[in-house]
Amino acid sequence: KNQVEQSPQSLIILEGKNCTLQCNYTVSPFSNLRWYKQDTGRGPVSLTIMTFSENTKSNGRYTATLDADTKQSSLHITASQLSDSASYICVVTVRANTGNQFYFGTGTSLTVIP
Amino acid sequence: EPEVTQTPSHQVTQMGQEVILRCVPISNHLYFYWYRQILGQKVEFLVSFYNNEISEKSEIFDDQFSVERPDGSNFTLKIRSTKLEDSAMYFCASSRDDVYEQYFGPGTRLTVT
Repeated sequence: KNQVEQSPQSLIILEGKNCTLQCNYTVSPFSNLRWYKQDTGRGPVSLTIMTFSENTKSNGRYTATLDADTKQSSLHITASQLSDSASYICVVTVRANTGNQFYFGTGTSLTVIP
Repeated sequence: EPEVTQTPSHQVTQMGQEVILRCVPISNHLYFYWYRQILGQKVEFLVSFYNNEISEKSEIFDDQFSVERPDGSNFTLKIRSTKLEDSAMYFCASSRDDVYEQYFGPGTRLTVT
């Protein structure tokens, strides 16, 4: 069964601190892995996309890693800001018959406090 | 910066009625998607659309649902005979290619009473 699991479910950190969010997946055939940021009541916003051959990708203060052998990914946020408070969602793309299917994790709710 | 727009922002309908949710994707994008997110749950893929036909669909996307690109700009999701469990936020997204980043709209909150 194709599944995407994220941990922790929620996280509270102080402004300026770093944090790492985890994603484990059991999907195949794997096409790529995406991290999104979703503010409450808004649509997800893409942070990174990584294919099988990529093991690190950065976007500003966000750095994603991928270990395709262990089927794990992480999202590291550096020097957190209050505006980083949001849900962070891991999405795995699976190559299906005629196109791609997308499997979403339940997200990690991050709260950055002053 | 171009963005995906969706209308209406909130739709209330009675059980059994048909609803049409509308999306205007980014103009030079070729792939279009619909997702739903039931309150408090994860986002779920419904369908992808390319070259005027469905590219891929999930198990959720049954005969109750249909998609259409009626003109050069709009992309619609029709839900026939709505059920209480169809209450959710529906997101439209578009991308240049099926492997590029997807841009999501702000969503339409559908409430079925």
